[in-house]
Amino acid sequence: GDSVTQMEGPVTLSEEAFLTINCTYTATGYPSLFWYVQYPGEGLQLLLKATKADDKGSNKGFEATYRKETTSFHLEKGSVQVSDSAVYFCALRSRGARQLTFGSGTQLTVLP
Amino acid sequence: NAGVTQTPKFQVLKTGQSMTLQCAQDMNHEYMSWYRQDPGMGLRLIHYSVGAGITDQGEVPNGYNVSRSTTEDFPLRLLSAAPSQTSVYFCASSYSTETNSPLHFGNGTRLTVT
Repeated sequence: GDSVTQMEGPVTLSEEAFLTINCTYTATGYPSLFWYVQYPGEGLQLLLKATKADDKGSNKGFEATYRKETTSFHLEKGSVQVSDSAVYFCALRSRGARQLTFGSGTQLTVLP
Repeated sequence: NAGVTQTPKFQVLKTGQSMTLQCAQDMNHEYMSWYRQDPGMGLRLIHYSVGAGITDQGEVPNGYNVSRSTTEDFPLRLLSAAPSQTSVYFCASSYSTETNSPLHFGNGTRLTVT
């Protein structure tokens, strides 16, 4: 079945540091890949997505590239801010699947 | 833009009580779903619906019932609450079940069962 593996947290960075959160997946066919962000006390919000190999999703300075050869979708940001502190979830949806499959989430804390 | 609206935000139940968590969306989405979020376990799918009158079980359906009488509403019923159902519950919807159709989430209901 489908599965998503994220790097374990928590991750603590200083403001303006470079961020990478690793995500790898197992799926049949060619899934669409997503990153969601959850701020404290809120629901998940779509951060970015990619729907085919080599696509790059980007939003709010975050980027992730769909790498079929390594089955990865790592999230990156060049310079994090305190306001980026949140939990980040990698997810996928396979063709014909009735649900998204989520990773376990990575807690990011950015210190001023 | 209301999006996905969940009520209540917080609820405390005693073991054995029943209640309904409400979910409504105003985006005319066909697909709706319920997840629970527990520490260290990510999100787990409870039930989902691909349209009015159609529901199906997810990964952890036991102890929960759903119905979908309208496109807009997808309530989740706990028939006899148990402490193991203490969790944060999220309702989510999407335009379709196409692979590139992202989920839109409500802000959650935090449920405590004592």
